[in-house]
Amino acid sequence: DGGITQSPKYLFRKEGQNVTLSCEQNLNHDAMYWYRQDPGQGLRLIYYSQIVNDFQKGDIAEGYSVSREKKESFPLTVTSAQKNPTAFYLCASSPSGLSGHYGYTFGSGTRLTVV
Amino acid sequence: AQTVTQSQPEMSVQEAETVTLSCTYDTSENNYYLFWYKQPPSRQMILVIRQEAYKQQNATENRFSVNFQKAAKSFSLKISDSQLGDTAMYFCAFLQGGSEKLVFGKGTKLTVNP
Repeated sequence: DGGITQSPKYLFRKEGQNVTLSCEQNLNHDAMYWYRQDPGQGLRLIYYSQIVNDFQKGDIAEGYSVSREKKESFPLTVTSAQKNPTAFYLCASSPSGLSGHYGYTFGSGTRLTVV
Repeated sequence: AQTVTQSQPEMSVQEAETVTLSCTYDTSENNYYLFWYKQPPSRQMILVIRQEAYKQQNATENRFSVNFQKAAKSFSLKISDSQLGDTAMYFCAFLQGGSEKLVFGKGTKLTVNP
């Protein structure tokens, strides 16, 4: 079955450490996205990529970095510069162009906690 | 920038009854798409319904329907015959035509009571 796989489901980070969240899709979608979800805040866009080797900052990119070396993969690194990284992180994908207007497909998320 | 507002942080409804969740949005464009997503306790985001702004007819998916009022920039979700499995966070979302960025509201937590 086609879908998006996020791993790990739960992740614990010590202060000052960088951690990388994995997102893989086998839907042959061109565009991929990372959102952060906090209670009462909805979903906020961190980074997005419309094509391999290209990505753009979203609304809250500070303290995060991404890469898009393969169409299927869009990993998110939470750096030590992110002062409040504890949150639920959702990865999504969509076809590009008009097909993308049918909405995103989401992964099951990663819960990151700073210890 | 487009904004999406969900004015009801929490709502509750009795099983088998009907409930309406509100959503308003702000845009100066005419070409856009609106969505309702459901996030149950599993936290998996599920697309419930989609509306194209240029279509006047309100979208319907089984027990879920929308009331799309383009002039008022309103996009409410009606859930008929509510079921316990409808208990979830519901997010309204906006996508500008030609854009790839989906903008979400802050969500409404719906609880269906037996």
